[in-house]
Amino acid sequence: QVQLQESGPGLVKPSETLSLMCTVSGGSISSYYWSWIRQPPGKGLEWIGFISYTGSTNYIPSLKSRVTISIDTSKNQFSLKLSSVTAADTAVYYCARAGSSFGADALDIWGQGTMVTVSS
Amino acid sequence: QSVLTQPPSASGTPGQRVTISCSGSSSNIGSNTVNWYQQLPGTAPKLLIYTGNQRPSGVPDRFSGSKSGTSASLAISGLQSEDEADYYCAAWDDSLNGYVFGTGTKVTVL
Repeated sequence: QVQLQESGPGLVKPSETLSLMCTVSGGSISSYYWSWIRQPPGKGLEWIGFISYTGSTNYIPSLKSRVTISIDTSKNQFSLKLSSVTAADTAVYYCARAGSSFGADALDIWGQGTMVTVSS
Repeated sequence: QSVLTQPPSASGTPGQRVTISCSGSSSNIGSNTVNWYQQLPGTAPKLLIYTGNQRPSGVPDRFSGSKSGTSASLAISGLQSEDEADYYCAAWDDSLNGYVFGTGTKVTVL
């Protein structure tokens, strides 16, 4: 059974870079599309972007200038970097899988999420 | 600001039928499939409906999805207390070239 687990600092200072890792267990990362989604406290979901197992990426336009998603197939991990963060980037960050038999964009497996607070 | 609009809340008594709407445009719902997610309090979202009206294994058949033009709907029949959650529609948007979520609907069982 495939599981995803986010990891990374829970507190990031303004103007610095937020870095998170998602570890895939119980299956190979060498297939599917691997996504990041965030949810500010008390608010809705926002898709950040995805990376394919071949390394091709797609980011939401509003964050494109600050976001980098990368993949390490040898470690079964993919990561998120968000630069120049502000308080508006405070959110629970989820990693998720897409591209299964449920459809190219259906996010069928999610991590539990990790809270990241941007504060000095 | 989401491009998919949902009512902020919906409610019903146990056993009732509740319907949640999701309004989009020709660049998202009008040309791509719609997925629905359920987020129970304090947990990660879960895929509830995919490609408009299909349910993953384990999702009760009380949940059903439909689409017409640039709008989609999620229906919960025979509402149960464990259905209290936030529900989000989502679809690929060809104009944004990205995946968009709806604004979310909180379902309350009275």
